Amino acid sequence: EIVLTQSPATLSLSPGERATLSCRASQSVDSYLAWYQQKPGQAPRLLIYDASKRATGIPARFSGSGSGTDFSLTISSLEPEDFAVYYCQQRSNWPPLTFGGGTKVEIK
Amino acid sequence: EVQLVESGGGVVQPGGSLRLSCAASGFTFNSFEMNWLRQTPGKRLEWISYISFSGTTVYYADSVKGRFSVSRDNAKNSLFLQMNSLRVDDTALYYCARFGDGYSGGLFDSWGQGTLVTVSS
Repeated sequence: EIVLTQSPATLSLSPGERATLSCRASQSVDSYLAWYQQKPGQAPRLLIYDASKRATGIPARFSGSGSGTDFSLTISSLEPEDFAVYYCQQRSNWPPLTFGGGTKVEIK
Repeated sequence: EVQLVESGGGVVQPGGSLRLSCAASGFTFNSFEMNWLRQTPGKRLEWISYISFSGTTVYYADSVKGRFSVSRDNAKNSLFLQMNSLRVDDTALYYCARFGDGYSGGLFDSWGQGTLVTVSS
């Protein structure tokens, strides 16, 4: 099973600041890494897939990068609606499909 | 509009059983592979089961293998999860989710709002 480790657990930032979230895989997942956003009381929403491709309707301020075992999600300038929990997920080698533990982006 | 609506959650004692349902609408159900996932009280997300278009192929996470069974009824646009021998650590919010179209599998593009399962004596 591929284990995904996200860091930091919590990121405290102000609106307008840049956010950089990290996801590290226990073995290579090539580029088969996705990012989801979850707001309180809502289901996760797909943001980024295959490391760097934005899903339909996702604003350009969200970008992803990386390959192999190290990935990042960048939010170029935080909007109020971006404060949420973000999860990475791999689909390189499944079953099982696995998720990271999440990074909470909170308002400083 | 794509809609997935889960039902069937509740409080059950350890060792008990529950059957979850997911009603799908707004898309051609038999053209999509479906999954069950869960989110623990600590907010950890876990994929637990997959079922192919026709239901002939199923996969399970090790944590539920042998205890849970996934099925679907394409005529009724419904997905099911039969959960037996429930344990305290099965307590979670259970989601149904479909694999997105055109991604070659493994990505969840639509999710329900979840149904809560609590296993407690």
